[in-house]
Amino acid sequence: AQSVTQPDIHITVSEGASLELRCNYSYGATPYLFWYVQSPGQGLQLLLKYFSGDTLVQGIKGFEAEFKRSQSSFNLRKPSVHWSDAAEYFCAVGARLAAGNKLTFGGGTRVLVKP
Amino acid sequence: EAGVTQFPSHSVIEKGQTVTLRCDPISGHDNLYWYRRVMGKEIKFLLHFVKESKQDESGMPNNRFLAERTGGTYSTLKVQPAELEDSGVYFCASSQDRIRGGYNEQFFGPGTRLTVL
Repeated sequence: AQSVTQPDIHITVSEGASLELRCNYSYGATPYLFWYVQSPGQGLQLLLKYFSGDTLVQGIKGFEAEFKRSQSSFNLRKPSVHWSDAAEYFCAVGARLAAGNKLTFGGGTRVLVKP
Repeated sequence: EAGVTQFPSHSVIEKGQTVTLRCDPISGHDNLYWYRRVMGKEIKFLLHFVKESKQDESGMPNNRFLAERTGGTYSTLKVQPAELEDSGVYFCASSQDRIRGGYNEQFFGPGTRLTVL
């Protein structure tokens, strides 16, 4: 069965500093990989996704993520954090062969941004 | 274009009562998913509709949960009777028809926060 681990429950970062959120997955083949963000009072918004091809993917809001097959990782990065990036971030895996394309999520990482 | 909407945004009920959550997907989206996040845990899949049919309900926790999607439009998730461990945030998502060999983005609603006292 597929699983996703986000080792960091909380991360505090200063505004303007870089941010990296870790995600490790377990899946028997190359999965579909996603990062979602949830701001307070909002639904989950897709930041970026990886299906195949270039292992460095660009997303919205200046985020990028790198798929590393050898490490089963899909870490999310942003070079310079803005106060509006304070939110909860979720890594997710979608099974390629499943009929329904259901998502398996990690536990989430809450990001706090210090002025 | 309106996104996925969910009603109510919050619900507080007592143990043993019944609650019905509603999800309106994006118009034209045949796929509708329910997920749940219990406090401190990860978001977990509950079930998946394709139009009005249940495609996968492997994540439904027990028979106190009943999901319907009459007419293939909006969906309801009823919890009867509610227990303390049902507290959490219930998310709904929708997507278009699945591209053969591909993957359609799931668009999420804001969730319904359910508190069972």
